[in-house]
Amino acid sequence: KAGVTQTPRYLIKTRGQQVTLSCSPISGHRSVSWYQQTPGQGLQFLFEYFSETQRNKGNFPGRFSGRQFSNSRSEMNVSTLELGDSALYLCASSLGGGGPATGNEQFFGPGTRLTVL
Amino acid sequence: AQSVTQLGSHVSVSEGALVLLRCNYSSSVPPYLFWYVQYPNQGLQLLLKYTSAATLVKGINGFEAEFKKSETSFHLTKPSAHMSDAAEYFCAVSRGGADGLTFGKGTHLIIQP
Repeated sequence: KAGVTQTPRYLIKTRGQQVTLSCSPISGHRSVSWYQQTPGQGLQFLFEYFSETQRNKGNFPGRFSGRQFSNSRSEMNVSTLELGDSALYLCASSLGGGGPATGNEQFFGPGTRLTVL
Repeated sequence: AQSVTQLGSHVSVSEGALVLLRCNYSSSVPPYLFWYVQYPNQGLQLLLKYTSAATLVKGINGFEAEFKKSETSFHLTKPSAHMSDAAEYFCAVSRGGADGLTFGKGTHLIIQP
């Protein structure tokens, strides 16, 4: 069974632009979560989607948004990019409706490394 | 709010020696606890998880962790380190609320030959 895939793997943008990252979960997984990883702040939870609905959201500004499609694939969008948005963005999927909040194992993709110049 | 503290941003051990990575959590209710490993340029891989079934949890690659409620700890151990264990290790907690997983800052494990 294929793992979680994320595209693109690397991305370079300039300040003020917007970016869309894509995540395809493991087949059959319906919960998709996004995390931001930076050297300074570490791993931080962005949001979680289940059945096309955002269930949980971390403490990030409204410039960060996401969505989930009927096939469970998810995208996240960052508008008006800032230098501080440079990070590794990780997507994780889990089987079952509970997601991380009920102890379900999350399977992580390799991430998209975003560099903002 | 829940939090996770990993003592030691870098831990160095000799090959064949005991590995001990420390994790303490702050939670008002029994949490779900996880240990993940991250190799360079890769995502996170689950080593083991605690979900209240047993306090001693065995994971992959010979790792195990013990949940100690009185100490609010969930330290990760491995009896004998291998060179392939060199990686970044993250402890994470989920309290079943709306916060997703809360991760510690990570511990970089260095294996000396």
